[in-house]
Amino acid sequence: DARVTQTPRHKVTEMGQEVTMRCQPILGHNTVFWYRQTMMQGLELLAYFRNRAPLDDSGMPKDRFSAEMPDATLATLKIQPSEPRDSAVYFCASGFLGDGKFIGTQYFGPGTRLLVL
Amino acid sequence: KNEVEQSPQNLTAQEGEFITINCSYSVGISALHWLQQHPGGGIVSLFMLSSGKKKHGRLIATINIQEKHSSLHITASHPRDSAVYICAVGGGSQGNLIFGKGTKLSVKP
Repeated sequence: DARVTQTPRHKVTEMGQEVTMRCQPILGHNTVFWYRQTMMQGLELLAYFRNRAPLDDSGMPKDRFSAEMPDATLATLKIQPSEPRDSAVYFCASGFLGDGKFIGTQYFGPGTRLLVL
Repeated sequence: KNEVEQSPQNLTAQEGEFITINCSYSVGISALHWLQQHPGGGIVSLFMLSSGKKKHGRLIATINIQEKHSSLHITASHPRDSAVYICAVGGGSQGNLIFGKGTKLSVKP
C-alpha cells in the first residue's frame, strides 16, 4: 500500500531553532507539494517540485524557509530561524503530472505538527 | 473575496440524511478537487473532476464549468462521514491548488 511518509510527526521547538521536515513521496510520482495548514488560513501552498526541480515557491517566506529535493525519494522543508507564527501542520503531497494541463490526484502525507514556543 | 468559496462552513446532520456541500470559484481552472480531512488530521483526495459528475460509493461530485460551481453530495450519511470537506481548484499546467476554507460536517447517530 503505497503512501507518502513524513517525519517527524510532531515537533516542539523554541523560537530561533532550525526545523527540518522530511517527506518521502510515493515511488514513481514526479511532483511533490508542501502545504501549511493553520486554523486562521486553512491550507496554503508553500512550494512544489516537478522532477525534483522547484516550480513555484512563492508561498514561502524566503528569508527563513527553504525547500529542496536532494533526490527523487526525499523532499525537505527547512525553517531557520523558526518563529512562533510558524506553528502549523505541514503536509507533503505527491502526484504525477504529465506534460498537458491536466492536474493529477495528489496523495497527502500524515503531516508534521509543528509548535514553536 | 476568496477565490474559492465553500458553503456551508458548518453542517450538522442526522444519520441517513442527504447532504450537499457547495463550492464556487472565481478563477479559471482545469480541475477541481474534493478532499476529506478526518478529525485525526489526515487528508484524503476524494475526487478530481474537470467536467460532469463522478460517483464513488455514497459520494457524488458534480461540476458546472460555465457556472464555476461544484457540489459534493453524500447519500445515506453516516457518523463516520463526519470530517472537514475541502474544495480545491487547480488553474494551471503546473499543478498548484487553491483551497477553500472547508466545510465541517458532523453526522449524529
